[in-house]
Amino acid sequence: EVQLVESGGGLVQPGGSLRLSCIASGFTFNNYWMSWVRQAPGRGLEWVANIQQDGSEIYYVDSVKGRFTISRDNAKNSLYLQMNTLRAEDTAVYYCARGQWLGNWGQGTQVTVSS
Amino acid sequence: DVVMTQSPLSLPVTLGQPASISCRSNQSLVYSDGNTYLNWFQQRPGQSPRRLIYKVSNRDSGVPDRFSGSGSGTDFTLKISRVEAEDVGFYYCMQGTHWPPWTFGQGTKVEIK
Repeated sequence: EVQLVESGGGLVQPGGSLRLSCIASGFTFNNYWMSWVRQAPGRGLEWVANIQQDGSEIYYVDSVKGRFTISRDNAKNSLYLQMNTLRAEDTAVYYCARGQWLGNWGQGTQVTVSS
Repeated sequence: DVVMTQSPLSLPVTLGQPASISCRSNQSLVYSDGNTYLNWFQQRPGQSPRRLIYKVSNRDSGVPDRFSGSGSGTDFTLKISRVEAEDVGFYYCMQGTHWPPWTFGQGTKVEIK
């Protein structure tokens, strides 16, 4: 069974940083692209970033370019999202998802940016 | 960026009756490999999203056959043949043809009348 477990969310002040993690199991992690998708309170889904199997291709939504960094450690079956210079509008539940086409999702981790 | 437009945004349905959600893109979603990367997701209240349909009409494992996807080019439809109580929630289409970015529709709220 595919499992994706996110962690690392929390309350942070504007301008602060957080590092999200996603541990994957139940599939061959290094065979898949991996993605981060977020959902602001009461809003729809927004794709944030994704990363190719070996990390050689990486893409970001414009609003996070230069502030967020996606990475992965295939030896640890883990996906990361380093979030710097956080803004109030980054407040959302952040989901880890398998593949470019988001075939499986984690339970999400809440990120709140507020003073 | 490709804009995905869903309608309606709210869909009250009667149990056992059919339901249909439309998703339109502002450019064709046919990729150079001939595939059309249009997916549908369900998000039940308080839950994570779950993919129902990939590449227009392919049901994911475990998805009931009352869910079906159709369409081509810029116009797509998700149909529920007979709505059940567990189908309440939001439904999103997403395109993965013209990327980045991968883009979602605004979401359609399905509720029971």
